[in-house]
Amino acid sequence: AIQLTQSPSSLSASVGDRVTITCRASQGISSALAWYQQKPGKAPKLLIYDASSLESGVPSRFSGSGSGTDFTLTISSLQPEDFATYYCQQFNSYPQTFGQGTRLEIK
Amino acid sequence: QVQLVESGGGVVQPGGSLRLSCAASGFTFSSYGMHWVRQAPGKGLEWVAFIRYDGSNKYYADSVKGRFTISRDNSKNTLYLQMNSLRAEDTAVYYCAKDLGGRLHGCFEYWGQGTLVTVSS
Repeated sequence: AIQLTQSPSSLSASVGDRVTITCRASQGISSALAWYQQKPGKAPKLLIYDASSLESGVPSRFSGSGSGTDFTLTISSLQPEDFATYYCQQFNSYPQTFGQGTRLEIK
Repeated sequence: QVQLVESGGGVVQPGGSLRLSCAASGFTFSSYGMHWVRQAPGKGLEWVAFIRYDGSNKYYADSVKGRFTISRDNSKNTLYLQMNSLRAEDTAVYYCAKDLGGRLHGCFEYWGQGTLVTVSS
């Protein structure tokens, strides 16, 4: 199975900060990568698919980039509602796998 | 709007069985593949199983292969997960998720609210 490694595992930031989360795949996955946001007690929500395509309704401060093995999720200006856990996921091959998550906390 | 509502979770003893259901609405259920994804308490996400829109193909994680069976009833817009020989490590919130489809197959577009399965004696 393809392993995804996210960094950092946790991150403290302030409202208005620019934040970048990285996701590295153990082998090339082209652009078959998605990013999800999960708040406590809630289901994950799709933010980015195909590495860089913004899901409908997701604010434009979220952006994704990368291909092959290295990917990033960037939040350009953190808002209070963005404090959550973020997961990357590859859908290049079965089994689909997730990164371990990045917990974004308020500084 | 798309709605996915899971049910059937609960407490079951090791070795027992449980069947989860996921009622879908707001989209043409019979046109999309569907997944089950789980999350153990305080842990990350784990894909469990997938079924093609017409039920013709099914895939499973190695951790559940031979014990879990995914199925669907397109006439009832409902997805199922039959879980047998349950183990403590199957304890998790189970989510059903709609596949994005096409070349984006395997990407989870919408998720239900989840149902908790606890395997304990």
